[in-house]
Amino acid sequence: EAQVTQNPRYLITVTGKKLTVTCSQNMNHEYMSWYRQDPGLGLRQIYYSMNVEVTDKGDVPEGYKVSRKEKRNFPLILESPSPNQTSLYFCASSKQGSGYTFGSGTRLTVV
Amino acid sequence: RKEVEQDPGPFNVPEGATVAFNCTYSNSASQSFFWYRQDCRKEPKLLMSVYSSGNEDGRFTAQLNRASQYISLLIRDSKLSDSATYLCVVTLTDSWGKLQFGAGTQVVVTP
Repeated sequence: EAQVTQNPRYLITVTGKKLTVTCSQNMNHEYMSWYRQDPGLGLRQIYYSMNVEVTDKGDVPEGYKVSRKEKRNFPLILESPSPNQTSLYFCASSKQGSGYTFGSGTRLTVV
Repeated sequence: RKEVEQDPGPFNVPEGATVAFNCTYSNSASQSFFWYRQDCRKEPKLLMSVYSSGNEDGRFTAQLNRASQYISLLIRDSKLSDSATYLCVVTLTDSWGKLQFGAGTQVVVTP
């Protein structure tokens, strides 16, 4: 089944404790992207990647890092999480010209 | 000014009725357009792409008006299961990775 898999689905962590949210797709898509969704603000893009080793900032990259060492994986790294990063996170992938397929989301709470 | 704007609604629609709503975009260079559906706090799912000539998929019709820079979605014969938030997505052909999302239009179909 073609899909984007995010893990974990739910995460509660403490301020300053580094964490990684994994994202993997099995569709051989070139493009991958991370979003956060907050009430009243809609989906905002954090980072995106056009292919292996090619990444670029989205609209809200501060406090996040990404890497794209393999085509299928695009992890999101929070080096020092803060409470304002509490959000619902989505990973998505696409090939050029097509719509994006989204993962099921990761609910992150930073206390 | 937001790059992609939508009426947040809610649009309360009796079952069986027709509902239509628009999405405006500010970047005249925008090339690709999509409608996504999102159920409460779940991942967005691609509903349909929007083509220059307009396109239809069952009860759903999408239109693009480049001169006035908006896209529209019309839902005919509304079903209870159509209740959701509809997200407008815009991208530039030369920057496929960078998507712009509208904040969504909520549709509530009532018995």
